[in-house]
Amino acid sequence: GAVVSQHPSRVICKSGTSVKIECRSLDFQATTMFWYRQFPKQSLMLMATSNEGSKATYEQGVEKDKFLINHASLTLSTLTVTSAHPEDSSFYICSARDSTVSSYNEQFFGPGTRLTVL
Amino acid sequence: KQEVTQIPAALSVPEGENLVLNCSFTDSAIYNLQWFRQDPGKGLTSLLLIQSSQREQTSGRLNASLDKSSGRSTLYIAASQPGDSATYLCAVERDSSYKLIFGSGTRLLVRP
Repeated sequence: GAVVSQHPSRVICKSGTSVKIECRSLDFQATTMFWYRQFPKQSLMLMATSNEGSKATYEQGVEKDKFLINHASLTLSTLTVTSAHPEDSSFYICSARDSTVSSYNEQFFGPGTRLTVL
Repeated sequence: KQEVTQIPAALSVPEGENLVLNCSFTDSAIYNLQWFRQDPGKGLTSLLLIQSSQREQTSGRLNASLDKSSGRSTLYIAASQPGDSATYLCAVERDSSYKLIFGSGTRLLVRP
C-alpha cells in the first residue's frame, strides 16, 4: 500500500519557538493532504486541508497564522507551529490522498509527530 | 453539524470471542464511512471503507456494515486475537471534499 512518512516523529521545544513538521507521500503523488491534531485519549480533529500550489484551507477555530502550512510539491506538505505554547503540545498526524485515483477516497495516514512544548 | 459517536469507549474480551463495535452519525448524508485502527502512539491504518451506496465490506475476519438511514455502522471482528488490541476509529466523509470527521474511538483489549 501507499506510504506516508512524517518527520520528526517526536520533538520537544521551548515555549515561544517554532517547529516544522514534514509530511511526505513516498510512492504516490498527493495534490491534497490533511493535517489533524489528536489530544490524549481523544479523537482526531481536522485542522486544515493542504493543497499543492495554493493556500491551505483551515477549519473553524484553527489559527492560520499560528499553524503555517506549505504544500510546495506533490509529495511534501509542511506544518509549522509558530510561537509554540504548552497548549500546542499534541500528536499531529497528516494524511494524503493519491491524486491518480479518481474513484473512492482512500486516505493514507502518516505515523504522527508527538510535539511537547515546555 | 455532523457528529460521530462510538460505543463502547472501551472493551475487554477474552481471546476467540466475536465482537461488535458501534459507530453512529447524526447526518445521514455522507459520502462514505471508514474504519481505522490506531496502535498506541502510532498513526492510523485503514481497515475498511464503505461507500454510501454500499451496505457492507469484508476483509478477512473483519466485516463492516452501513445503514445510512439510521445513521449507524458496525464493525464485526470474528475470532478476536490479542493482536487485535488497539483503538478502532470510525470516520465519515461528509461530502466530496475528502474531509473526514472522526468518532472518539473504541479501545479494544483482547486478553490471551
